[in-house]
Amino acid sequence: DAKTTQPTSMDCAEGRAANLPCNHSTISGNEYVYWYRQIHSQGPQYIIHGLKNNETNEMASLIITEDRKSSTLILPHATLRDTAVYYCIVSVDGSARQLTFGSGTQLTVLP
Amino acid sequence: GAVVSQHPSWVICKSGTSVKIECRSLDFQATTMFWYRQFPKQSLMLMATSNEGSKATYEQGVEKDKFLINHASLTLSTLTVTSAHPEDSSFYICSAVWGVGDYGYTFGSGTRLTVV
Repeated sequence: DAKTTQPTSMDCAEGRAANLPCNHSTISGNEYVYWYRQIHSQGPQYIIHGLKNNETNEMASLIITEDRKSSTLILPHATLRDTAVYYCIVSVDGSARQLTFGSGTQLTVLP
Repeated sequence: GAVVSQHPSWVICKSGTSVKIECRSLDFQATTMFWYRQFPKQSLMLMATSNEGSKATYEQGVEKDKFLINHASLTLSTLTVTSAHPEDSSFYICSAVWGVGDYGYTFGSGTRLTVV
């Protein structure tokens, strides 16, 4: 699976959009981009995933660049409960292989 | 849907004893489950892959005789930490794969193990 690079930490003001970047320059054509988050002392929670088109669900939006070498997770209106470590993972969809977690980004939403 | 229940949430045990952690898929059948370990301020590290009805596949450096994994049914996988030592204290998390073709991954809530 391709390796990902994320900033170690980010702050965001409550109510503002949180934009979390991820670089995956070695991504293969059949690898999807997954985003999970982990609130302290809990299991990871699925947020969103995509292949090459932008995706949106009730939690977030995923913007993938045209060359697919990077992506951005957008939380449109961050709340204090969004404070967590956010993991960007690339993996082959349909493979049922394990997800490999990098170091992630610690997002802190400030009041 | 696709809910995974992990128990216990936390456990304290004495050195030398064994601890069993359960991971159950509540509303789907999980052919494959994964066990991760997470030390403080670190990311999740895969320990092993558990396949129903067959032996688990362990990652390099993980002692299979110490971390016993049993996946005897499509809804239950267990991790037993045998002869636990303080260095085994960690956060253990299971994950289950669901779906056919378009797979999804659901994680348990984790188990905080403290060995004293």
